[in-house]
Amino acid sequence: EPEVTQTPSHQVTQMGQEVILRCVPISNHLYFYWYRQILGQKVEFLVSFYNNEISEKSEIFDDQFSVERPDGSNFTLKIRSTKLEDSAMYFCASSVLLYNEQFFGPGTRLTVL
Amino acid sequence: AQTVTQSQPEMSVQEAETVTLSCTYDTSESNYYLFWYKQPPSRQMILVIRQEAYKQQNATENRFSVNFQKAAKSFSLKISDSQLGDTAMYFCAFIHTGANSKLTFGKGITLSVRP
Repeated sequence: EPEVTQTPSHQVTQMGQEVILRCVPISNHLYFYWYRQILGQKVEFLVSFYNNEISEKSEIFDDQFSVERPDGSNFTLKIRSTKLEDSAMYFCASSVLLYNEQFFGPGTRLTVL
Repeated sequence: AQTVTQSQPEMSVQEAETVTLSCTYDTSESNYYLFWYKQPPSRQMILVIRQEAYKQQNATENRFSVNFQKAAKSFSLKISDSQLGDTAMYFCAFIHTGANSKLTFGKGITLSVRP
């Protein structure tokens, strides 16, 4: 069964460093998403991406964040200068159509020291 | 803005028994979808069940069923014949079929199934 994959599973970085989180969505899916979950809190939407552009973003998704689909298979989330409060689990998701089920990847745990 | 409320932080059920997880939501939209996602200790989010707001019939998936009350904006999940593998965090989520594309999640409820 096709699935969303994410790498790395765990990333540790120093405050101020740039990180890139990688995702491979399911191949025939057209919509891509990033969510984050701070430990013990609810899952929060960051950004959605369709047709090679951002279709929606939340207040969390400020200028420090960017997304890209560099090669038609990968979908990346970049945080330019990490802060302590960026420590969270980051989930990538994809869907065939806009209101279909979103399939989630296993997540990347980001720890900012 | 839409909100999703899960007021019970945790519940416990005996194996083989039935448990109901509550969820209410608030929206001014009339067209939307509701979901229950499961997050086991491995932390991967897995879809349990989905309900389209325009459908009056409650969705069912094997041991999982929902009680969707549109007027009351209530969307509870019933798990029948609970199994140890059902132990997980359960999130209620909402997406409205308008311009936006994001899932809005509740805070989640931790379900423990006792042997």
